[in-house]
Amino acid sequence: DVKVTQSSRYLVKRTGEKVFLECVQDMDHENMFWYRQDPGLGLRLIYFSYDVKMKEKGDIPEGYSVSREKKERFSLILESASTNQTSMYLCASSPDSYEQYFGPGTRLTVT
Amino acid sequence: QQQVKQSPQSLIVQKGGISIINCAYENTAFDYFPWYQQFPGKGPALLIAIRPDVSEKKEGRFTISFNKSAKQFSLHIMDSQPGDSATYFCAASMGTDKLIFGTGTRLQVFP
Repeated sequence: DVKVTQSSRYLVKRTGEKVFLECVQDMDHENMFWYRQDPGLGLRLIYFSYDVKMKEKGDIPEGYSVSREKKERFSLILESASTNQTSMYLCASSPDSYEQYFGPGTRLTVT
Repeated sequence: QQQVKQSPQSLIVQKGGISIINCAYENTAFDYFPWYQQFPGKGPALLIAIRPDVSEKKEGRFTISFNKSAKQFSLHIMDSQPGDSATYFCAASMGTDKLIFGTGTRLQVFP
């Protein structure tokens, strides 16, 4: 079974803090993705990576950065958290950009 | 051009009934159309997918109907059960490019 794990299920941070969300997959997948999920807006792609040390901007990259130093790990970084970044964050991995395997999500609240 | 429009936003169905969720797209280059199912507290998981060379795909009680000329596809859940209560996302992609997700439909099936 493919397993995608995310470092925290729930996280509460203050405005201006630097926030790290970690994602690890155990299936040697090339591709990894970070989404945010908001009611009525569906899943919006923040960043993705097709290889180690490689990253591509998604549809809403502003205010975020990513790091992929190892194939199995893809980190999302909020440089200076703001209240409009309160959301559910979902990580996914994929062997071929078709079926994506999602982690359970991190619900981030920025106060 | 890159959007996938999904409706309805929410759906209430009685046990045993048929649930129908619709999606529409503009980009005729899309060649992969999956549906994802998400239970509360979990990440989305692939439910069923179709390519545009077929008009219908069935897996158990779940069927995708695909209308290439109308640029529409829909998910039908026959004999809906309370255990089908979840949020459903349609999506589309072109080749190995990123998935574009719809905004989601929250399905509630009452006994």
